[in-house]
Amino acid sequence: QVQLQQSGPGLVKPSQTLSLTCAIFGDSVSSNTAAWNWIRQSPSRGLEWLGRTYYRSKWYNEYAVSVKSRISVNPDTSKNQFSLHLNSVTPEDTAVYYCARAIAAVGGLDHWGQGTPVTVSS
Amino acid sequence: DIVMTQTPLSSPVTLGQPASISCRSSQSLVHSDGNTYLSWLQQRPGQPPRLLIYKISNRVSGVPDRFSGSGAGTDFTLKITRVEAEDVGVYYCMQTTQFPRTFGRGTKVEIE
Repeated sequence: QVQLQQSGPGLVKPSQTLSLTCAIFGDSVSSNTAAWNWIRQSPSRGLEWLGRTYYRSKWYNEYAVSVKSRISVNPDTSKNQFSLHLNSVTPEDTAVYYCARAIAAVGGLDHWGQGTPVTVSS
Repeated sequence: DIVMTQTPLSSPVTLGQPASISCRSSQSLVHSDGNTYLSWLQQRPGQPPRLLIYKISNRVSGVPDRFSGSGAGTDFTLKITRVEAEDVGVYYCMQTTQFPRTFGRGTKVEIE
């Protein structure tokens, strides 16, 4: 039974860095068949895929162009988790942030974290 | 980016009656590996999205068989044969054929 448990602050000041963590239970961040994603959801933008990290003999990342200059998604093999860092945030980054797993056999996002509401405000 | 267009935006349904949601992509979703990575997700109020169907028509384990997916290329449909109260929520199509992954804007299924 795969579970994803998110943690991180719900309030971030403008221009600072938004940092969230997704702990993985029942799978491994180093799995050769999974990819670990971040998605956000807001009323204005709907569901927006942000980026992912995955391991296939070495680590890879893909990011959405809209956030590419500000984002990093990093694995932490010692804690079996992965993180999202989004810097230089503005109020437009206010959203509910989700982590999710994609598995090769499915091709879709088959397990999701519980979501973290993040507000960017001073 | 591939744009995913869902219709209708809202679908009021009588309990026990069918519901149908359409999703159209701005480009073909056929991947170079031959698969079509179109999935459907359900989001109940206050919950994260939940994967229902992947690769057009494959139901996730535990998803009731009243849910079915069909389509090809750029046109896809999610059908619920007999809507139950627990089906209330917003349904999204999503493509994972190309980067960036993109979602439809959602269709709200509500009981009349």
